[in-house]
Amino acid sequence: QQPVQSPQAVILREGEDAVINCSSSKALYSVHWYRQKHGEAPIFLMILLKGGEQKGHDKISASFNEKKQQSSLYLTASQLSYSGTYFCGTESMANFGNEKLTFGTGTRLTIIP
Amino acid sequence: EAQVTQNPRYLITVTGKKLTVTCSQNMNHEYMSWYRQDPGLGLRQIYYSMNVEVTDKGDVPEGYKVSRKEKRNFPLILESPSPNQTSLYFCASSDRGHEQYFGPGTRLTVT
Repeated sequence: QQPVQSPQAVILREGEDAVINCSSSKALYSVHWYRQKHGEAPIFLMILLKGGEQKGHDKISASFNEKKQQSSLYLTASQLSYSGTYFCGTESMANFGNEKLTFGTGTRLTIIP
Repeated sequence: EAQVTQNPRYLITVTGKKLTVTCSQNMNHEYMSWYRQDPGLGLRQIYYSMNVEVTDKGDVPEGYKVSRKEKRNFPLILESPSPNQTSLYFCASSDRGHEQYFGPGTRLTVT
């Protein structure tokens, strides 16, 4: 079963903040986040591991709440280059060790000037 | 340059004509996967491999076969393609616990 992402789509003005959520019904070991531009391959953003950690670089950060099996991706002071579709990929505890990721259906982010 | 390559990038074929999409990585990664991407459905895993000669089904394996005879190569085989396999296909590779590197994608149309 695919994790649920919300919102499905969001439009922001340059400089505004966004939060994208990813929720799973399974106990998770890790959550991956990727961004995909139209017609291109997904590009890695970050991995969060079991332990409830938070990561970030530049103005993109993420958190992982293992009790709720949820992860959130935070984009602050959004730039035009942030536009694209964001996917979370989850690795369940049941599949720990085999790198089997299940991806959500994506959140389309559009940044307008 | 570290990369995952796929061939062909675009393919139009007819129902029932066997085809193979190749995938190769030059990073000595143990793990490789195939995904299909359809509008509104995101990326769905078809098959994955944890090492040479070790493969397992993903979430949508019906109608597909794979093999992993060499560490660097992970071809996807459609023995009898059908129109519902029209999709965008991505191959990916990774080391354990690290990011997945995706290939550029193969757009397949089955008529």
